[in-house]
Amino acid sequence: SQTIHQWPATLVQPVGSPLSLECTVEGTSNPNLYWYRQAAGRGLQLLFYSVGIGQISSEVPQNLSASRPQDRQFILSSKKLLLSDSGFYLCAWSGGVGPQYFGPGTRLLVL
Amino acid sequence: GENVEQHPSTLSVQEGDSAVIKCTYSDSASNYFPWYKQELGKGPQLIIDIRSNVGEKKDQRIAVTLNKTAKHFSLHITETQPEDSAVYFCAALSNTGNQFYFGTGTSLTVIP
Repeated sequence: SQTIHQWPATLVQPVGSPLSLECTVEGTSNPNLYWYRQAAGRGLQLLFYSVGIGQISSEVPQNLSASRPQDRQFILSSKKLLLSDSGFYLCAWSGGVGPQYFGPGTRLLVL
Repeated sequence: GENVEQHPSTLSVQEGDSAVIKCTYSDSASNYFPWYKQELGKGPQLIIDIRSNVGEKKDQRIAVTLNKTAKHFSLHITETQPEDSAVYFCAALSNTGNQFYFGTGTSLTVIP
């Protein structure tokens, strides 16, 4: 069966520090991968999606970036975090269009 | 682009009663409408979905209806149980893109 992992589960970082969140998927190949952000009390905002290694589409201009170095690995990064980057970050995958399975999420607090 | 609105934002029901959550969408080209359940501190889980060529779909106590003319779709939960308490999100997939547009969520509380 397919499994999606995210780490770390929680993270507290100072403003201006770098960020690296990792997502890996097991039990499937060539998945579509997604990064979403969920602010407190808000819906899900699509940040990036990838249909293959090295292929990244950005939906929202921001100081975040994403990379897909391997088929089942998706990384969300930032060189300098802002206060507004705080939120709940969710990785998701699907075999077709749109996210079908979400990971457990990373709660990021930028102070 | 697509715009999905979801109502109500919060909903409380007595155990055993029914709960209904409604969403509207703006892009008539949207053709796939999933619903997700998110428990506290966890990622959303896909619980049911419906495609634009179907008017209703049922899975045990959960059903989803779609009115393409009015561009709205609804989630119905019957015989609610405390474990149904969670935040529910609707979404719409546009036929023109590779992304979902999510509603802002409904926090459902089932009171024992």
